[in-house]
Amino acid sequence: QSALTQPRSVSGSPGQSVTISCTGTSSDVGGYNYVSWYQQHPGKAPKLMIYDVSKRPSGVPDRFSGSKSGNTASLTISGLQAEDEADYYCSSYAGSLHVVFGGGTKLTVL
Amino acid sequence: EVQLVESGGGLVQPGGSLRLSCVASGFSFSNYWMNWVRQAPGKGLEWVAKIKEDGSEKYYVDSVKGRFSISRDNARNSLYLQMNSLRAEDTAVYYCARLLWWSQYDYWGQGTLVTVSS
Repeated sequence: QSALTQPRSVSGSPGQSVTISCTGTSSDVGGYNYVSWYQQHPGKAPKLMIYDVSKRPSGVPDRFSGSKSGNTASLTISGLQAEDEADYYCSSYAGSLHVVFGGGTKLTVL
Repeated sequence: EVQLVESGGGLVQPGGSLRLSCVASGFSFSNYWMNWVRQAPGKGLEWVAKIKEDGSEKYYVDSVKGRFSISRDNARNSLYLQMNSLRAEDTAVYYCARLLWWSQYDYWGQGTLVTVSS
């Protein structure tokens, strides 16, 4: 399986909204509603922010939301805050117990 | 509170071996599939291996098949990764991660760094 495609970087000012895209194929993103998003601060472990395309684990602010259209999933962060600056990775179930990750997107809060 | 604590990383020469451990607490370890996921320096995430709740099923990424072995000891709430015939391209931070479902991971350890170099 090939990696999912994410933009290398995105940026936004505090209070603004940003959207990170994650493009796959009909064999992964488009074929299953098992897309997840992870936040990773430098030197830290990944943290689950979104699962099943649009569900938030307990404790994740509702500023974070997920969606999917066709073979592309998206993570939207509204009301951007300084602490949101991090790397974000998407992943998708890809059938036959396989998972595929995106290459990661660096979010900069200006 | 769910905690996953990895250990066992370090510097090893190409062709060498290393055994990683992950001790779990704060949840019923024996009720979850567990995984190892790695991240090469400055790179993205790559799933490495997974093991069923009772250890009866194990799966690996193609690049480590025949060299790595995942195991668990539910009595000790521990997950292991035996890594043999290590290569430079195995250099990475190795994370222990709990499977939520369908290849989505809800808790991760802090990671342990494995460096394969002469």
